Amino acid sequence: NAGVTQTPKFQVLKTGQSMTLQCAQDMNHNSMYWYRQDPGMGLRLIYYSASEGTTDKGEVPNGYNVSRLNKREFSLRLESAAPSQTSVYFCASSEGQGWINEQFFGPGTRLTVL
Amino acid sequence: DQQVKQNSPSLSVQEGRISILNCDYTNSMFDYFLWYKKYPAEGPTFLISISSIKDKNEDGRFTVFLNKSAKHLSLHIVPSQPGDSAVYFCAASSRRGSARQLTFGSGTQLTVLP
Repeated sequence: NAGVTQTPKFQVLKTGQSMTLQCAQDMNHNSMYWYRQDPGMGLRLIYYSASEGTTDKGEVPNGYNVSRLNKREFSLRLESAAPSQTSVYFCASSEGQGWINEQFFGPGTRLTVL
Repeated sequence: DQQVKQNSPSLSVQEGRISILNCDYTNSMFDYFLWYKKYPAEGPTFLISISSIKDKNEDGRFTVFLNKSAKHLSLHIVPSQPGDSAVYFCAASSRRGSARQLTFGSGTQLTVLP
């Protein structure tokens, strides 16, 4: 099992460009999450999907959109990238409620917006 | 306003000794607490959790203590091993309306010296 995979691993964008971060899990988990981690800060939730077909905003959703393509895949889109979105992005999944149970994280995508 | 605080950015401990990582919180509505470990260039991995109805939970070398009156939890690692060198995040969960949310601390870098 690969667990949670994310592509790309690294990306550099110019201000105003768009891109989609891809995430897939092979553990048949219902719930999936997108976080960002900035230096000196903890992980902050951008969006989550409690089950296929549903998505909800997290703590910092502005500037992002998500798609739960199927049970396996959950993508994060930046429509018009800004330097403030320079960060490391983590995707995670969980069987049940990831708020009280284990979440499995991908290796992250390091995004730089110039 | 950080609701979950890890006031020590770093901690160094000799191999074989005890490591104690601390976490303070301000929101009395937090009712589950989790610890995650993160190695460089990898996603966080779940370590241990505790419900607010307990004051202690053990899993092998890892023990989490919860002091609700002080709004403080700690992670004890005994004995510490060089492979434990990583960033440790505490996270706290509370209800947000009909849903839940998870708030992470900023992390503590643990270095176990051989």
